Amino acid sequence: DAKTTQPPSMDCAEGRAANLPCNHSTISGNEYVYWYRQIHSQGPQYIIHGLKNNETNEMASLIITEDRKSSTLILPHATLRDTAVYYCLGGKLIFGQGTELSVKP
Amino acid sequence: ETGVTQTPRHLVMGMTNKKSLKCEQHLGHNAMYWYKQSAKKPLELMFVYNFKEQTENNSVPSRFSPECPNSSHLFLHLHTLQPEDSALYLCASSQERRPYEQYFGPGTRLTVT
Repeated sequence: DAKTTQPPSMDCAEGRAANLPCNHSTISGNEYVYWYRQIHSQGPQYIIHGLKNNETNEMASLIITEDRKSSTLILPHATLRDTAVYYCLGGKLIFGQGTELSVKP
Repeated sequence: ETGVTQTPRHLVMGMTNKKSLKCEQHLGHNAMYWYKQSAKKPLELMFVYNFKEQTENNSVPSRFSPECPNSSHLFLHLHTLQPEDSALYLCASSQERRPYEQYFGPGTRLTVT
């Protein structure tokens, strides 16, 4: 079973920040949190991962709470091409249903 | 070719046929994975190979038979499949020490008639 829970869907206006939450209260202290996204009809794409500290790369930022029970993926300036299903994984290679993000003009 | 490639992209087969899916990675990785994605269901990890050795089989029926001849190539041999095996089959690769950073191919859309 997935160790994470995510809202099934979210909307975001183009150009605004998209903040995608994930709860992972059962992961252990040495298990990473990692994010993927899957654009319709394509293979998933790795986005970012983290353990304790906040992380940033060219695609997104990952904010992990101090107690590591939850995290937020931030797409700072969402575009229409960011419309996809976003998956948060905690420790194991188990994909849940993810969050379907719709970026709208 | 760059990244992870999969062939064929689409496959229709009867229940008595034998076919194979091919995956090739050009990233210098040493771990490879097969996933199944059925309609309206999450991705399911099927097999994991590290340095050509199978390290994980998630209770996959024997009608699916993986083969990893080297770290760059992965096959999934199919025989006597059922209609419920129709799905998108995805291959991925990673460095063995970084299994959370996987690179996926575009998938093979399989239809069993």
